[in-house]
Amino acid sequence: DIQMTQSPSSLSASVGDRVTITCRTSQSISSYLNWYQQKPGKAPKLLIYAASSLQSGVPSRFSGSGSGTDFTLTINILQPEDFATYYCQQSYSTPRTFGPGTKVDIK
Amino acid sequence: QVQLQQSGPGLLKPSQTLSLTCAISGDSVSSNSAAWNWIRQSPSRGLEWLGRTYYRSKWNSDYAVSVKSRIIINPDTSKNQFSLQLNSVTPEDTAVYYCARSITVLRGNYFDPWGQGTLVIVSS
Repeated sequence: DIQMTQSPSSLSASVGDRVTITCRTSQSISSYLNWYQQKPGKAPKLLIYAASSLQSGVPSRFSGSGSGTDFTLTINILQPEDFATYYCQQSYSTPRTFGPGTKVDIK
Repeated sequence: QVQLQQSGPGLLKPSQTLSLTCAISGDSVSSNSAAWNWIRQSPSRGLEWLGRTYYRSKWNSDYAVSVKSRIIINPDTSKNQFSLQLNSVTPEDTAVYYCARSITVLRGNYFDPWGQGTLVIVSS
């Protein structure tokens, strides 16, 4: 199975900040990496697929980059509704695996 | 717009069978470009993919090794839905269970949309 790690596990930020979350995989997965946002009591929501493609309807302040084993999710100009937990997920091989999550809360 | 609606009981005793259903609207369980997945989430295990069913000229299923001996995911074409059956549950199976569609695009495959989630508690 492909192992996923994320850093940091949590961070505190202010509205208007730029936030960067990193995801690392145990083996190269090309660009087969997705990012999800989850708010308490809700299902995860797709933000970015194929490492850098923005899902329809997702604000352009979200962006993704990376390939191989190292990936980044960036949120530019953090908004109040962006305080949530973010997960990466690989779609390179089965079983699909997820990162442990990064919780973004209010400073 | 594709929507998934989950149903099923949320409280089980150890050794019982967990049964959940996911009703699909806006797509077909028999689609040749989608797969239908079950994923669970718990504080101890995080987000864990359990398995999927999909149609590619015939029905196929894949399961996570951790549950492979206890799980069945079945399509129901007459009702356009799919189901999860997990046998011999223990308290370690306590989690929020989600159904989700996965589709493959040019450069990837992703889960979207997800069902609303069902909290399943296994307790004597």
